[in-house]
This record gives sequence, structure tokens and C-alpha cells, in this order.
Amino acid sequence: LAKTTQPISMDSYEGQEVNITCSHNNIATNDYITWYQQFPSQGPRFIIQGYKTKVTNEVASLFIPADRKSSTLSLPRVSLSDTAVYYCLVGDIGTGGFKTIFGAGTRLFVKA
Amino acid sequence: GAGVSQSPSNKVTEKGKDVELRCDPISGHTALYWYRQRLGQGLEFLIYFQGNSAPDKSGLPSDRFSAERTGESVSTLTIQRTQQEDSAVYLCASSLDPSGRAHTGELFFGEGSRLTVL
Repeated sequence: LAKTTQPISMDSYEGQEVNITCSHNNIATNDYITWYQQFPSQGPRFIIQGYKTKVTNEVASLFIPADRKSSTLSLPRVSLSDTAVYYCLVGDIGTGGFKTIFGAGTRLFVKA
Repeated sequence: GAGVSQSPSNKVTEKGKDVELRCDPISGHTALYWYRQRLGQGLEFLIYFQGNSAPDKSGLPSDRFSAERTGESVSTLTIQRTQQEDSAVYLCASSLDPSGRAHTGELFFGEGSRLTVL
């Protein structure tokens, strides 16, 4: 399973765009990149998933360069309610069981 | 229900007692996962079920931990002779069949069971 590295924490202000980068140098051919968001006292929630290039949904965008050794989660115009922990996961979605690769995540603090 | 349901939401127990934590996955989800999350830490994988079988138990921290699943539905995580280091939030997640074409890898998590061992 590919190991991921993310910044421990980030600060931002309301209305700014936030980019969180995740490194996964050992990503395998069949691996997908998935991001989750976790609020205090709640379980993680799926945000976005991609394999290569760019993926966009109503919540975020995910940028994946051609070599796929990193990915960047982009949150447009954050609000206070976006304060949470963001986890980057890399794994083969066909095999089941994302094991220990949630890691510590990135704690995003959005200030007024 | 519409989501993954876990019970109890909070459990306080004394060191040495046994505890059982329950997870009701989303109906139709064949895969079920247990994770442990200590305060301020990331998620630690414990065990994964495909149907009623557990092909991956590699994350169970000791033989005091066990889990079962019946009817391809409810799962119970049992911790025997609890220790203070077992204090954590235990999260359950479910997903569609990982080998199925409809599977996107998305895990649906419950709110967790917070265990405090005194």
C-alpha cells in the first residue's frame, strides 16, 4: 500500500481557496486517490476521488499530475464550517479495506 | 436506516471488563470495516469483513480483540479485559462489494463508539 504524506496543519481565512497537497511516491498502477473530511465527533466523509488529471465536484477539485506521485485537494472559498481534518488515501479500490493509510491527516483551521 | 449505525455512542468501563461494540451497516453493503481512532490521531485499521468472512484481521492489536459479523449485516467488536490504552473512538464503515463494478471505494462511516476505560 502506498504511503501518503500530508502537512500536519494549515490555516486559512474565510473566502480563500485552500490547497492541500498529498505526496504518494509509491503509488501503484491500480491505485486510486481518495480524500475524506472529518469533523470533530463524527466519522470521516468522502469528498472526492480520482485516478489522473483533474476531477471536480460540487465540494472540491482534485488535481493529479501525470506522474501521479502527488495530488492536491482544492477547496474553493472556504468557510468556517470547512474547519476539519482532511485525509488523503491511496489504494486499489478493487481489493477492499483501506488499511492503515488514513494517517494523521491535515488539520485545516479556517478563521473569520 | 439510511446510514451506518453504531452503538453504544459512549461507553465507560472499568479496567479488566469486557465490552461489545455494535455496527449496523448500510443495507446491501457487503464490506464492513472497523477502525480505531485515539484522541487527536488518525484512523487505525482493525479488521475488514467481506460478507461474513474476515479476510484481513491484520490490524487487531492483540488477542483481546475479536470481531464477528452475521447475516452479512450486523458486526460486533469485542474487547476482552479492557486496558486503559484501549480508550478511543471505534469507527465502523461499510461499502459496496469492493470487487463489483459499482464500487467506487467510498466508505460510509458511522458516528463511532467512544470507549473510556477507567
